[in-house]
Amino acid sequence: EAGVAQSPRYKIIEKRQSVAFWCNPISGHATLYWYQQILGQGPKLLIQFQNNGVVDDSQLPKDRFSAERLKGVDSTLKIQPAKLEDSAVYLCASSSRGLADNTDTQYFGPGTRLTVL
Amino acid sequence: GQSLEQPSEVTAVEGAIVQINCTYQTSGFYGLSWYQQHDGGAPTFLSYNALDGLEETGRFSSFLSRSDSYGYLLLQELQMKDSASYFCAVRAVGAGSYQLTFGKGTKLSVIP
Repeated sequence: EAGVAQSPRYKIIEKRQSVAFWCNPISGHATLYWYQQILGQGPKLLIQFQNNGVVDDSQLPKDRFSAERLKGVDSTLKIQPAKLEDSAVYLCASSSRGLADNTDTQYFGPGTRLTVL
Repeated sequence: GQSLEQPSEVTAVEGAIVQINCTYQTSGFYGLSWYQQHDGGAPTFLSYNALDGLEETGRFSSFLSRSDSYGYLLLQELQMKDSASYFCAVRAVGAGSYQLTFGKGTKLSVIP
C-alpha cells in the first residue's frame, strides 16, 4: 500500500511570494489533514477535510492560507502572500476514519520544508 | 482548548528502559495517542489509549489515567534506532469533529 505522497519536498521563497503544496493521501482514506510543524514543536492542525468538504479550519489563517480537496482525493495548500513566520514543515496526513476506527490512526506524508527569506 | 506537557529532552542508555510522561488539559477528551518522529521524517503512529490502563505493543507500552489527565510511553530494551522525538497527542471533540492536538515533543537520545 502506497503511503501519503507530498510535493515538493523543499521550497525556498521570499516573503510576499506565493507557494502551493500538493498532497495525495492513501487510497480510500476519506479524511485528509494539513498540519504546520515549526522547528522544535509538535504538528499543529491547519485544516481537516472529510471527502471534499471542510470539517475544521478553525486554525487556518484564512487571510493568507487556503486549501482545497477537489473530488475528495488530492489536496493543495496555498500560502499567499508568505511571511517569515510561515517557515515550517507542512505535513499532510490521512486516515480512514470509519465509524469502527476508534484509534483514528493518522498516516503522515514526508512533508514539505518551506523556508521564507 | 487543549494543552499538553511533556519533557523536552530525555537521554537513556542502550538496552535500558525509559518512560516519557505526558499531562494534558482538555475538554471533550476521547483518547491519548503517541507518535514517533525521526529527524527529517514523518510522524508515525505508535499507540492509542482510550481507556485507563496499559497497552502493550512489542517493546513499547502506553498508559493512561483519565482521572489524573496523565499518560506515559514506556520504551523497553532501548535501541539506537529509538533515538527520535516522541509526541503525545490528545484526541478530542472540537469544531464539530475529532481533533488531534500534539504536544511539543520529547527528544529521546539513546547512547551506547
